[in-house]
Amino acid sequence: AQSVTQPDIHITVSEGASLELRCNYSYGATPYLFWYVQSPGQGLQLLLKYFSGDTLVQGIKGFEAEFKRSQSSFNLRKPSVHWSDAAEYFCAVGAGGSYIPTFGRGTSLIVHP
Amino acid sequence: DTAVSQTPKYLVTQMGNDKSIKCEQNLGHDTMYWYKQDSKKFLKIMFSYNNKELIINETVPNRFSPKSPDKAHLNLHINSLELGDSAVYFCASSQASGGHTDTQYFGPGTRLTVL
Repeated sequence: AQSVTQPDIHITVSEGASLELRCNYSYGATPYLFWYVQSPGQGLQLLLKYFSGDTLVQGIKGFEAEFKRSQSSFNLRKPSVHWSDAAEYFCAVGAGGSYIPTFGRGTSLIVHP
Repeated sequence: DTAVSQTPKYLVTQMGNDKSIKCEQNLGHDTMYWYKQDSKKFLKIMFSYNNKELIINETVPNRFSPKSPDKAHLNLHINSLELGDSAVYFCASSQASGGHTDTQYFGPGTRLTVL
């Protein structure tokens, strides 16, 4: 079975600073990888996903993520954070043959002005 | 148009009551899900329903039962509510074609408070 770890519970950055949120997964084959964002009081929204191909994936809102098989990681990055990016971020991993993804525990992003 | 909708948005009830949460998706997806999000934001899968195949997380109490009248709806019934059932419940859907995980589209959530 697959699993996913988000080692940082909270991340605090200043507006305009760069951001990297960490995600590590465990799965024997090539996984399906997702990043979702949850704004306060809202449901989750897909930022980007990786199934195959180019390991650098571009998403919405200026986010990108890079799949590194050797490190079993799929870290999310943004070059310049905006105050509106303050939210909860979830990494998820899926596998072939299963409809059910496994979500990480989430990382809460706090943005200081 | 809202892709995945849930009603009600807020639900406050007494212990021991029975309640239902409704979910509808207009995306034509084959698979629907129910998740429970606790106060620490941990997202736990409760059920997955695909083409009349129900996959249940074995840790979910049998007081919780999903009901799917058709492919576009997956309602959640909860019997004998307990304090620990207080949480935000999310419905989601995905195309899940080819037998693998695909993008999940989430509803806005239902905040359940049991007094």
